[in-house]
Amino acid sequence: QVQLVQSGAEVKKPGSSVRVSCKASGGTFSSNAIIWVRQAPGQGLEWMAGIIPIFGSANYAQKFQDRVTIIADESTSTAYMELTGLRSEDTAIYYCARGVLPGWSGYDPADWGQGTLIIVSS
Amino acid sequence: IVLTQTPLSSPVTLGQPASISCRSSQSLVHSDGNTYLSWFHQRPGQPPRLLIYKISNRLSGVPDRFSGSGAGTDFTLKISRVEAEDVGVYYCMQITQFPLTFGGGTKVEIK
Repeated sequence: QVQLVQSGAEVKKPGSSVRVSCKASGGTFSSNAIIWVRQAPGQGLEWMAGIIPIFGSANYAQKFQDRVTIIADESTSTAYMELTGLRSEDTAIYYCARGVLPGWSGYDPADWGQGTLIIVSS
Repeated sequence: IVLTQTPLSSPVTLGQPASISCRSSQSLVHSDGNTYLSWFHQRPGQPPRLLIYKISNRLSGVPDRFSGSGAGTDFTLKISRVEAEDVGVYYCMQITQFPLTFGGGTKVEIK
């Protein structure tokens, strides 16, 4: 069973940036997709981006294309999501999740981190 | 790809069935011939849990009262006999094509 442990909650000012980490323990880190999903208060799930560490290149939702960067550090089995130009609408719980199924189903997020609450407020 | 779930809310009596629909704005058949439509369950204060992938495949440990069906653009999640632990919000998700997308969610609650 893969465990994903995310960094703690943060309060950020509008216009600033935030970096959320997601450390994986157990399982194989490099060959399975890491996905980032966010959930605004009382709202649904929103896919932001995904990466397969061994390949390195990421896919992004167009909505976040210019503001989000995700990377995966294979040496520490840790993934990172950085969001810049924060605004109040970015207040949300940010989840990392990992695929465990074979093939293209590896993009199905099967194991989830506990979530990181990011509050954007002046 | 836009996924539209209905109903938004589903009050159900314990032991009775429940059904959730997910309709896609375009076919979810991948170039490899598979259809990558999944279902998740989220309880309040918890991350989502993957229940079903590729339309009808239950993840290990998911009770067999959960079943998925459908093809092309129309999909359904059924709970044969709702139990108290099944309350929460259910989401469909497609991973056939980037950007990956979720449906808006269906809240299942006990009458």
